[in-house]
Amino acid sequence: AQSVTQLDSHVSVSEGTPVLLRCNYSSSYSPSLFWYVQHPNKGLQLLLKYTSAATLVKGINGFEAEFKKSETSFHLTKPSAHMSDAAEYFCVVSPPTGGFKTIFGAGTRLFVKA
Amino acid sequence: DTAVSQTPKYLVTQMGNDKSIKCEQNLGHDTMYWYKQDSKKFLKIMFSYNNKELIINETVPNRFSPKSPDKAHLNLHINSLELGDSAVYFCASSQGGVNTEAFFGQGTRLTVV
Repeated sequence: AQSVTQLDSHVSVSEGTPVLLRCNYSSSYSPSLFWYVQHPNKGLQLLLKYTSAATLVKGINGFEAEFKKSETSFHLTKPSAHMSDAAEYFCVVSPPTGGFKTIFGAGTRLFVKA
Repeated sequence: DTAVSQTPKYLVTQMGNDKSIKCEQNLGHDTMYWYKQDSKKFLKIMFSYNNKELIINETVPNRFSPKSPDKAHLNLHINSLELGDSAVYFCASSQGGVNTEAFFGQGTRLTVV
């Protein structure tokens, strides 16, 4: 069985300050982990994915995430927030077989203040 | 070119009606999905269709029926629409196997009145 928990439903940062969106997972096998972003009235777009290679994963738009097995975490970070980063972010866990058993977290809404 | 496209983008209909949402992907993927996103943004997978094998989430009412005429299309038909069916429905596709991410359509906002 597997699950994913996004620890914050809302995060608010000022433009130019760091972003941290937290995600914890549980899985009985080595999962693949993803972060997706959803801008208002848009579909989901893949930011980055972890697939058991390097534990620090770099994605698009300056985002990165670090896989920490000991903490069962996959937190998403960005050094400096931009107004265009305001969106909903989903952490996703998927078993090695992928597909149907993929589970989405509840989402974290990121607000960026000018 | 749009990788995963859904039509219509918006759908407003009355209770009791039957409606369909269409989805097409031009990525050559072998697996397609339908997800439902409720008002709290929670995403729940409804169906997965891989090479003519349909996997159904058993919590989905049987008023919902996916139809796949070919590998590039997965349509969603909904009978006897209810108020609780109002949500955003996302189609997605992926190439089956290990460590594959899903590509999503723009979503269809269904409102049942």
